[in-house]
Amino acid sequence: AAGVIQSPRHLIKEKRETATLKCYPIPRHDTVYWYQQGPGQDPQFLISFYEKMQSDKGSIPDRFSAQQFSDYHSELNMSSLELGDSALYFCASSLVAGEETQYFGPGTRLLVL
Amino acid sequence: LAKTTQPISMDSYEGQEVNITCSHNNIATNDYITWYQQFPSQGPRFIIQGYKTKVTNEVASLFIPADRKSSTLSLPRVSLSDTAVYYCLVGPYSSASKIIFGSGTRLSIRP
Repeated sequence: AAGVIQSPRHLIKEKRETATLKCYPIPRHDTVYWYQQGPGQDPQFLISFYEKMQSDKGSIPDRFSAQQFSDYHSELNMSSLELGDSALYFCASSLVAGEETQYFGPGTRLLVL
Repeated sequence: LAKTTQPISMDSYEGQEVNITCSHNNIATNDYITWYQQFPSQGPRFIIQGYKTKVTNEVASLFIPADRKSSTLSLPRVSLSDTAVYYCLVGPYSSASKIIFGSGTRLSIRP
């Protein structure tokens, strides 16, 4: 079965640079969620989109922005990167109408030097 | 969302049954109990969800007493590959809801 695809899987950036993470949800899923997991920490919700509209917002820094496109894929844009942004970034998708659970992608590991 | 409390860590051996208990004293009437599993450097994976009594699937069983103030995830005959962090979550049954992860239980299985 198709799963959530995230790219890139690994990313190395320097401080003050920008990064764009991409998420391709499971086909037919209309909702995308972004989570950040720092080293040794639990995943923290950042933001979610339903039918291309922001549906919820968590502890996402103002330096970060995200959107969901017409094909339902989503991008998380991160600017002015800081050392503390080094983390695993997970994308999850679900189908609201199907009342299914969220399916997580493999994550993008971001390292800021 | 109801706050949950679960052990920080647990150890067991291959072939044993492992029971992880989660306390959720403030669970609301419309809340469901969901467990996720996370392997190192991988995304969390849904294990099981229930509302009351007992739920069983091919991976685990979930026992929920009548007062629903706690729940127990039961993993039968664990293997080394069950070493992971297990998260207990309580909230409305809605795939449109963000997941608020608390501190999970780090389960270590030894040979």
